[in-house]
Amino acid sequence: DQQVKQNSPSLSVQEGRISILNCDYTNSMFDYFLWYKKYPAEGPTFLISISSIKDKNEDGRFTVFLNKSAKHLSLHIVPSQPGDSAVYFCAASEIQGAQKLVFGQGTRLTINP
Amino acid sequence: DSGVTQTPKHLITATGQRVTLRCSPRSGDLSVYWYQQSLDQGLQFLIQYYNGEERAKGNILERFSAQQFPDLHSELNLSSLELGDSALYFCASSVRDEGIEAFFGQGTRLTVV
Repeated sequence: DQQVKQNSPSLSVQEGRISILNCDYTNSMFDYFLWYKKYPAEGPTFLISISSIKDKNEDGRFTVFLNKSAKHLSLHIVPSQPGDSAVYFCAASEIQGAQKLVFGQGTRLTINP
Repeated sequence: DSGVTQTPKHLITATGQRVTLRCSPRSGDLSVYWYQQSLDQGLQFLIQYYNGEERAKGNILERFSAQQFPDLHSELNLSSLELGDSALYFCASSVRDEGIEAFFGQGTRLTVV
C-alpha cells in the first residue's frame, strides 16, 4: 500500500526553466509534508517542508504547494540550475516526527544546460 | 556533509550471516533513526532511538535489532540475512524526539549474495 506516490520516475528540464515535481498521497491524516533531495552516494538532504495548515511555503528558488482536497503536493524550482540535478523524495507524516515519515519512490530530475 | 557518519559504506555478505551497521549522529543530536531503501523503493522507517531508549518502531523484521549507546552512536544488527535484505540502509539524526527535519548519513549499501 503506497501511501505516498511520485508517479514520475524521471523529469528532464532545460536550465533556467521551471521544474515541477509532483507527489500524491492517500492518507488524509498526514499533517506534515517534506521534500528531500539526494545526490548519488550521499544521504537525502532536507529541502523544504509544509504543514497542512498552509497551502504554500517558499524558500528562495524552491516553493512547495499543498492541495489538501486533491491530496497533492508539488515542488517548484525556479529557475532550474544544473546543480539541482538529483533525486527528489516527497515525504509525509501524521505527526511532527521523522520516525513517522512515509517516503515516495523518488523522481530523478535532470537539468540540461 | 550532514555530520552523520555511517560505516561501513559498502558491505557484501552471504545469506545466513549477521552484520552490524554503525551510525554516529550529529554532535548534540539525541535521536537516531534507521531507514531501509530497497531497489526502486522509497525509504522505509525501521526504528528510532532517543537518548538511549527505543522510541518508535516501524517495519522492522524480527531478525533485525538496534541499540543506541551512552555516547549516542547506534548500531543496527541484521541477522540470518536473506537476498531480499540487500538494500541501502540510512541512519538519520535530529536534536529532539520529534525532529521533523532529520539529517541523513551517506548510507551503507548491503549486498547479500
